[in-house]
Amino acid sequence: NAGVTQTPKFQVLKTGQSMTLQCAQDMNHNSMYWYRQDPGMGLRLIYYSASEGTTDKGEVPNGYNVSRLNKREFSLRLESAAPSQTSVYFCASSEMWQGAYEQYFGPGTRLTVT
Amino acid sequence: AQKVTQAQTEISVVEKEDVTLDCVYETRDTTYYLFWYKQPPSGELVFLIRRNSFDEQNEISGRYSWNFQKSTSSFNFTITASQVVDSAVYFCALSEGANAGGTSYGKLTFGQGTILTVHP
Repeated sequence: NAGVTQTPKFQVLKTGQSMTLQCAQDMNHNSMYWYRQDPGMGLRLIYYSASEGTTDKGEVPNGYNVSRLNKREFSLRLESAAPSQTSVYFCASSEMWQGAYEQYFGPGTRLTVT
Repeated sequence: AQKVTQAQTEISVVEKEDVTLDCVYETRDTTYYLFWYKQPPSGELVFLIRRNSFDEQNEISGRYSWNFQKSTSSFNFTITASQVVDSAVYFCALSEGANAGGTSYGKLTFGQGTILTVHP
């Protein structure tokens, strides 16, 4: 049982390049999320998917797109990377339990944009 | 809008000292959940505790304890007899309850994090 997996673990991009961060979960969860972590700012929600086939913006969606490919997979795409997108990206999944959503996080992707 | 504030950016203690990490939250929801996560130097996020807004009982788990006070909108975390392995970044987070009538779908609002360094 791998939980939430993310690829790649590290990535360096040049400004203007594009890339897709992959996330997959094997817990049969309906909801999935993408967060970014920046020093001194905690984690901030980029996009989320409440269920397969739906996606919605979070707090900081500009410059990103997402795809909920199926129930297992939720990808994050940077169409034209900018230095401001240098960050650590975390994917998470969750299912409702006793009225609350328990989120399980992936190991993170460290992205540097030069 | 929801907000979580961890006023302590960095805390440095010597092993065996007790340390309390503060968390203050803002929400207009009557049903909500509070969380603490630990992020060790390896970078992963480790879930520590979840507390719902209806349960103000304090909780103790080994050397960890949590004090939830709705009257002051605080959910503080205390480590007793700290150890070097406790060195990490600690995050407090808040989510709306699933039955609150909104569309939170468990979205978490995180505090800025507190860097705890425990020296031997």
